[in-house]
Amino acid sequence: NAGVMQNPRHLVRRRGQEARLRCSPMKGHSHVYWYRQLPEEGLKFMVYLQKENIIDESGMPKERFSAEFPKEGPSILRIQQVVRGDSAAYFCASSPLTRGVNNEQFFGPGTRLTVL
Amino acid sequence: DAKTTQPNSMESNEEEPVHLPCNHSTISGTDYIHWYRQLPSQGPEYVIHGLTSNVNNRMASLAIAEDRKSSTLILHRATLRDAAVYYCILRVVSGGSNYKLTFGKGTLLTVNP
Repeated sequence: NAGVMQNPRHLVRRRGQEARLRCSPMKGHSHVYWYRQLPEEGLKFMVYLQKENIIDESGMPKERFSAEFPKEGPSILRIQQVVRGDSAAYFCASSPLTRGVNNEQFFGPGTRLTVL
Repeated sequence: DAKTTQPNSMESNEEEPVHLPCNHSTISGTDYIHWYRQLPSQGPEYVIHGLTSNVNNRMASLAIAEDRKSSTLILHRATLRDAAVYYCILRVVSGGSNYKLTFGKGTLLTVNP
């Protein structure tokens, strides 16, 4: 059973360009979470999605960031008009259908975004 | 989620036990204590969790104080592959946002050969 997959693993963009980060959850998992980790800091929650639904986007910056988890295909985190402050590691996690406090989240290897 | 306090770093020798402390003095009665770890250049991985009783699994043991204001993650025999940042996280039972994991800065564990 393959784990959570993220691609690309490394992404370099110039200021003003768009960044698209992809996440394929573990087989059978319908809950996806995105986290951001700035250098020397812990991970910060960004958004929680189920298939075709955004459940909680309270951690997403108000502008330029969006996320989706379509019926078919991976979840996408999209950052428009990137700025240097967007440089970070972005991690995706997934969990099985049942959610709750005992529900383990399985993390992908992350995408390291560098904005020049 | 309630706040946790961990030492910034700890060192251990290979094949020796490691005790990683976590203080959570504001924990509520229904908060679960979760531990994740993050190996270099990887995503976090689940280690263990508990509520009141001590817990054991193949990776580690979790010792929870009787008043639940602190807990200790125990690695019985540290290996070089255990070198990672260890995060102690509280997760509330009630409420709609218990899926959010709140990561602090964690404890950087160095294992010496």
